[in-house]
Amino acid sequence: EAQVTQNPRYLITVTGKKLTVTCSQNMNHEYMSWYRQDPGLGLRQIYYSMNVEVTDKGDVPEGYKVSRKEKRNFPLILESPSPNQTSLYFCASSFAASGGGYTFGSGTRLTVV
Amino acid sequence: AQSVTQLGSHVSVSEGALVLLRCNYSSSVPPYLFWYVQYPNQGLQLLLKYTTGATLVKGINGFEAEFKKSETSFHLTKPSAHMSDAAEYFCAVSVGYGSGSRLTFGEGTQLTVNP
Repeated sequence: EAQVTQNPRYLITVTGKKLTVTCSQNMNHEYMSWYRQDPGLGLRQIYYSMNVEVTDKGDVPEGYKVSRKEKRNFPLILESPSPNQTSLYFCASSFAASGGGYTFGSGTRLTVV
Repeated sequence: AQSVTQLGSHVSVSEGALVLLRCNYSSSVPPYLFWYVQYPNQGLQLLLKYTTGATLVKGINGFEAEFKKSETSFHLTKPSAHMSDAAEYFCAVSVGYGSGSRLTFGEGTQLTVNP
């Protein structure tokens, strides 16, 4: 089944403790992206990648890191999480030619206390 | 830079009534436009998209949207609402070569369908 898989689905952590949210897609998509969703703000792009080893900042990149060493994986790293990073996170992927027709993962609900 | 405005954070309709969700975009170049739907505790699902060609776009679940360049709008409609349409709907835009990576979303519209 074609899908974007994120793990974990739920995570509660403490301020300052490094964490990684994994994302993997099995559709051979070039584009991958991370978004955070907050009430009243819609989805905001954190980072995106147009292909292996090509990543760039989105609209809200502060406090996050990403890497794209393989085409299928695009992990999101929070080196020192803070409470304002409590949010619902989505990974998404698409073919370059789709112009933005992303396939989304099921989401990771992160709580930083 | 592109942007999207969705008019109305909450829309309520009766079952069987017309659904109209409004979306206006801002872009200096021809955009690609999208509508996504999010059901509770799920990720986003693509409803429909406009890239080029016919301005009336049909999507899944009986939804359609019309690209109106003169009005910079891409409103989503469905002739007859069903209870299962209750969800949050997001309009989104991308522009330019390689832009598919830079998808900008509106703030979302929560649709409630009353029996």
